[in-house]
This record gives sequence, structure tokens and C-alpha cells, in this order.
Amino acid sequence: DTAVSQTPKYLVTQMGNDKSIKCEQNLGHDTMYWYKQDSKKFLKIMFSYNNKELIINETVPNRFSPKSPDKAHLNLHINSLELGDSAVYFCASSQEGRGDTQYFGPGTRLTVL
Amino acid sequence: AQSVAQPEDQVNVAEGNPLTVKCTYSVSGNPYLFWYVQYPNRGLQFLLKYITGDNLVKGSYGFEAEFNKSQTSFHLKKPSALVSDSALYFCAVRDWASNTGKLIFGQGTTLQVKP
Repeated sequence: DTAVSQTPKYLVTQMGNDKSIKCEQNLGHDTMYWYKQDSKKFLKIMFSYNNKELIINETVPNRFSPKSPDKAHLNLHINSLELGDSAVYFCASSQEGRGDTQYFGPGTRLTVL
Repeated sequence: AQSVAQPEDQVNVAEGNPLTVKCTYSVSGNPYLFWYVQYPNRGLQFLLKYITGDNLVKGSYGFEAEFNKSQTSFHLKKPSALVSDSALYFCAVRDWASNTGKLIFGQGTTLQVKP
């Protein structure tokens, strides 16, 4: 009965590779997010989708491409991985509304060698 | 620009003592404020939020937070700390200035509760 799930939990890969992280929520929410947590634990929004439509696209390299096949899923594809992409990536979801809470997944720790 | 500041990188408290984790914010319009906790190698867990109403908000695990508009603060408190409360705590504000509702997080405060 996990609310927001992500796969994989750990991802170790070589520079230059392409990888994907998947996120699914079973809360019935209409908005999903990707956040990046760097080595200093700082959290920053990357993308947000509302009902499969991109609504937030922060200053992120275009090697990062989110895809939302339906409102319960938001995947993150990363091309040509670089060392600086190493971080923990969190997916979150909420029901759109000013006071609504965002619920986070367990995170995916990406290590680029 | 909307922002959140957590002035302390780390807070140390003895078990059984009260704890406070500080947060100040800067927003245009009404602030929607949140506290999250992150245990080691885990995701963020929602603790509590202030949207409107009573300035004292009660949340999970015995935590509460006090919204102070004049001081633009939203400090997290607990009357009696537990060793199991040791974790990383994030304050966040919902950014409606950008009309996207994204969360802007503070830099986090590590709470260390010693037995």
C-alpha cells in the first residue's frame, strides 16, 4: 500500500550512459514532481506535471527529460550521464490546491562513476 | 523572491528536554508553510503545515509549530525530545508567486537528541 514508490532505489552507472527512474503514486493525485537532493542535502525542484501536462521546468540540463504516461506515473530519463548528476532524486505527488501537501517517495540514489 | 531560511545547521538537545528548530520565510502574499523530516536513507515525511487559522499547528509524532506573521517565522517545537527524533528537518514554503505551487525548501537542520 505504498503511496509514492520509485524504482530503482539505487542506481550506479558509468559516465555517458542513459538511465531512467520510475515513479508511481496510488494516492489519486493529479500533480507529480521531481526533486534533486545534492550531497549537501539541499533540495530543489526539477519538474512538475499536472494531469500529464508539464507545469514546472526549472533550469535543468536538457539531458533530463520527464515523461508522464498518465497522472499516476512520472518517469525521469537522463541522457549522457555526468559525474555531477550524482544525487538522490525524489518523486512527490499532491492534489493541486494551494494548501495541499506533497507526499514524497523513498528516493533514488544515483551514483555516476 | 520567495525563500526559506533555517539558520542552524545542527541542533543538539538532551532527551526529555524541549526542542526548537528555527525557520524564517520571505513570501509575497499569504504563506503556506510546511515541515518535513528525513530519516537517514529515507524519503521526506510530512510533519505538519500552516495554511490559515490557529497560529499553533499540531502535527505528527508530538511535533507542533508556531506561525508568527510579524517575525515571519515558523519554528518547529516539541515539549520533550526523544532519541528517535534525531533526523534532518526541512522547512518549506509553497511558492505561488510563480503560479506553480512548487515547494521551496530551507537548507535543512540536523537534530541530534542525546540520551
